[in-house]
Amino acid sequence: DAGVIQSPRHEVTEMGQEVTLRCKPISGHNSLFWYRQTMMRGLELLIYFNNNVPIDDSGMPEDRFSAKMPNASFSTLKIQPSEPRDSAVYFCASSFEGNTIYFGEGSWLTVV
Amino acid sequence: GNSVTQMEGPVTLSEEAFLTINCTYTATGYPSLFWYVQYPGEGLQLLLKATKADDKGSNKGFEATYRKETTSFHLEKGSVQVSDSAVYFCALISNSGYALNFGKGTSLLVTP
Repeated sequence: DAGVIQSPRHEVTEMGQEVTLRCKPISGHNSLFWYRQTMMRGLELLIYFNNNVPIDDSGMPEDRFSAKMPNASFSTLKIQPSEPRDSAVYFCASSFEGNTIYFGEGSWLTVV
Repeated sequence: GNSVTQMEGPVTLSEEAFLTINCTYTATGYPSLFWYVQYPGEGLQLLLKATKADDKGSNKGFEATYRKETTSFHLEKGSVQVSDSAVYFCALISNSGYALNFGKGTSLLVTP
């Protein structure tokens, strides 16, 4: 079975550019999470969707970040404009009804 | 609030040595506890979990026991291999929560 699929795997972009990260959760899962991993702060929850509805976005750093889930099989995390401090690994994860949370391979973002 | 504390790394061991990575937590009620592993350049994979006190999770020779009295979930393996070199994350989901709270991670390097 396919796991959580993220794209792009790696992105290098210039400061000020818009970045869009994409995620396809595991089929049938109704919970979706976006996490950010940095050396300084470790793994942080950015936003949590349940049944395509954002339930907790308290971890979204600022207005430059936005996330959408237009349907059960697709989510995006957008950064506009991007800044060097946004450089991190962004993970998407999904689960079904509070069971095991499965992670994607991550999107490795570098903003120069 | 909920939090997880792991021992600082990096941990360097010789092949076939005994491994312990300490993890303690703070949470109200009875959280579920997890160990995730991240191999270089990859996403997070669930290693094992325990959902109630005195439960033992085990997988691939790794074990951890949910100790309510000491609020701990230490990871152990009797004989490590070079292929176990990775970063190990302890995490919890509170009994009223939905998302993983992660520790900072412990880097393990196993040398031949």
